[in-house]
Amino acid sequence: RKEVEQDPGPFNVPEGATVAFNCTYSNSASQSFFWYRQDCRKEPKLLMSVYSSGNEDGRFTAQLNRASQYISLLIRDSKLSDSATYLCVARGDGSASKIIFGSGTRLSIRP
Amino acid sequence: NAGVMQNPRHLVRRRGQEARLRCSPMKGHSHVYWYRQLPEEGLKFMVYLQKENIIDESGMPKERFSAEFPKEGPSILRIQQVVRGDSAAYFCASSRGQGRSNVLTFGAGSRLTVL
Repeated sequence: RKEVEQDPGPFNVPEGATVAFNCTYSNSASQSFFWYRQDCRKEPKLLMSVYSSGNEDGRFTAQLNRASQYISLLIRDSKLSDSATYLCVARGDGSASKIIFGSGTRLSIRP
Repeated sequence: NAGVMQNPRHLVRRRGQEARLRCSPMKGHSHVYWYRQLPEEGLKFMVYLQKENIIDESGMPKERFSAEFPKEGPSILRIQQVVRGDSAAYFCASSRGQGRSNVLTFGAGSRLTVL
């Protein structure tokens, strides 16, 4: 089983739609979680951190469910520029912890 | 702040040659991570280093691959005797520390093509 699993998609939705991604992680000791965005042939860029209480940044909302070990990302009023691959990330907090990326969920917004 | 600098951006090697990829972390960052990304696939963790120390190399292939982060200078990912399967994008990322607020910042990547 992969340490961080995501539905690869692609999700193909019309502009203005609301779209949600889920991600599950296998290591219950993971402490920090993030969503990154990666455009084609570019480096990943931080979209937002994910906090236990949930957090919102404009049209983007991230939620963490520790009991079920999953993380979600909700995008409201999607824009054409939201088309990208969204990467779920989990890390431990130990001195030797590594940061594990999911394989990504591809999102395509159509006009 | 120039961000995470990787070079070369593109590297072409013939089978059997060596590839050296360099990464200079952001100013003030002492933690470096290397990831490999094959076409149409996700990022695969390779190695995590702090200055002069390899902290976790569990993602490194057992042979031909090595990494270092010397006291002075950039981190180096070295691939000896490259094979076609080594063709990929290699991303370096850095962070200030280990705490929850220390997110990774990525460089633009080095794309290796093995002929």
